[in-house]
Amino acid sequence: AQTVTQSQPEMSVQEAETVTLSCTYDTSESDYYLFWYKQPPSRQMILVIRQEAYKQQNATENRFSVNFQKAAKSFSLKISDSQLGDAAMYFCAYRSQTSGTYKYIFGTGTRLKVLA
Amino acid sequence: DTEVTQTPKHLVMGMTNKKSLKCEQHMGHRAMYWYKQKAKKPPELMFVYSYEKLSINESVPSRFSPECPNSSLLNLHLHALQPEDSALYLCASSQEHSRNSYGYTFGSGTRLTVV
Repeated sequence: AQTVTQSQPEMSVQEAETVTLSCTYDTSESDYYLFWYKQPPSRQMILVIRQEAYKQQNATENRFSVNFQKAAKSFSLKISDSQLGDAAMYFCAYRSQTSGTYKYIFGTGTRLKVLA
Repeated sequence: DTEVTQTPKHLVMGMTNKKSLKCEQHMGHRAMYWYKQKAKKPPELMFVYSYEKLSINESVPSRFSPECPNSSLLNLHLHALQPEDSALYLCASSQEHSRNSYGYTFGSGTRLTVV
């Protein structure tokens, strides 16, 4: 069975600085997707970035980028130029591509605080 | 329209009540999902509908009854709930429940309190 681990329950970053959130996963599959979701106090889960396992190139979305190390089963999120609005719970998620099991497996989350 | 709309935003119900949660999307997504989220925990999958048919039930107690009347609407009927069922209930949708994944679009949830 697949597992997703976020070892940092909480992190803080100064406004305008860079922070990296860690995520590791365990799987025997070779074809899968990885996601980072953000959940602010407003409660809505918002997709931040998506990575396809067969693509070696790291995904980037504006200030958000990932460091995807498939062999190490690591998928960290880097937030550059942190803003107050980045404060939220961040969840790493794995999605199998095996037929019939297209479910997300979420990590336990990292709460990010942004300090003014 | 790129939203998933959930109503109500807050719900307080007694253990003998019957209530329903509603979820609506007009993005043409053919897969819709119910998740339950306890405080400071990740969401847990409850049900998946694919092309209006129930495709996954994660062994959810029968006091939760999902319904998908059409491709845009998903309901969750609640009956005889327990206080431990108090949680945030999130609805999500995606283009398909299949190999290609562009991620889910989540609603902002219904905060349910069972008294």
